[in-house]
Amino acid sequence: KAGVTQTPRYLIKTRGQQVTLSCSPISGHRSVSWYQQTPGQGLQFLFEYFSETQRNKGNFPGRFSGRQFSNSRSEMNVSTLELGDSALYLCASSDEETQYFGPGTRLLVL
Amino acid sequence: SQKIEQNSEALNIQEGKTATLTCNYTNYSPAYLQWYRQDPGRGPVFLLLIRENEKEKRKERLKVTFDTTLKQSLFHITASQPADSATYLCAPDTGGFKTIFGAGTRLFVKA
Repeated sequence: KAGVTQTPRYLIKTRGQQVTLSCSPISGHRSVSWYQQTPGQGLQFLFEYFSETQRNKGNFPGRFSGRQFSNSRSEMNVSTLELGDSALYLCASSDEETQYFGPGTRLLVL
Repeated sequence: SQKIEQNSEALNIQEGKTATLTCNYTNYSPAYLQWYRQDPGRGPVFLLLIRENEKEKRKERLKVTFDTTLKQSLFHITASQPADSATYLCAPDTGGFKTIFGAGTRLFVKA
């Protein structure tokens, strides 16, 4: 089976812009989670989707949003980017217990 | 609130020795606990899952223990190799449709 894919792999934006990141899960997985990883904060949970429904979310401002499509592909959006949003954004698909991560999207906000 | 603690300092060991990493959790009772490996700039990779009714689990050179009384898991790498150098993350089950990871322990294995 193909693994989790994320696009784009790298992104440079400026403050105030918005960004959309995409994630394609492993075939058959209906759960997709998103994480933000920065050097000082480790892996921080953003939200989790299952069959197009958000089941849980972390402690992030409303500028961070996501959605899941009927084919389980997921997108996350960050509006009004801030410098502190620079991070590695990781998507993971799950068979309900284990998380299988994609390679991540590295976002740099200037 | 739920809390996960891993050795915050890096662990440096000599090749061939056994590395032991600790994961402590508070304020919840996970049904299972997972360990992941993460290399710089890459997503974590699943290594092992141990359930609350299992005391110990092994996979090749890896061994995990789970003590629900102490609220602790130990992760051992025997006969360590330089290729084992990475950050190791523990993730106790939260039962709430989200996986929370510890901050991780960086392991350096010197040849």
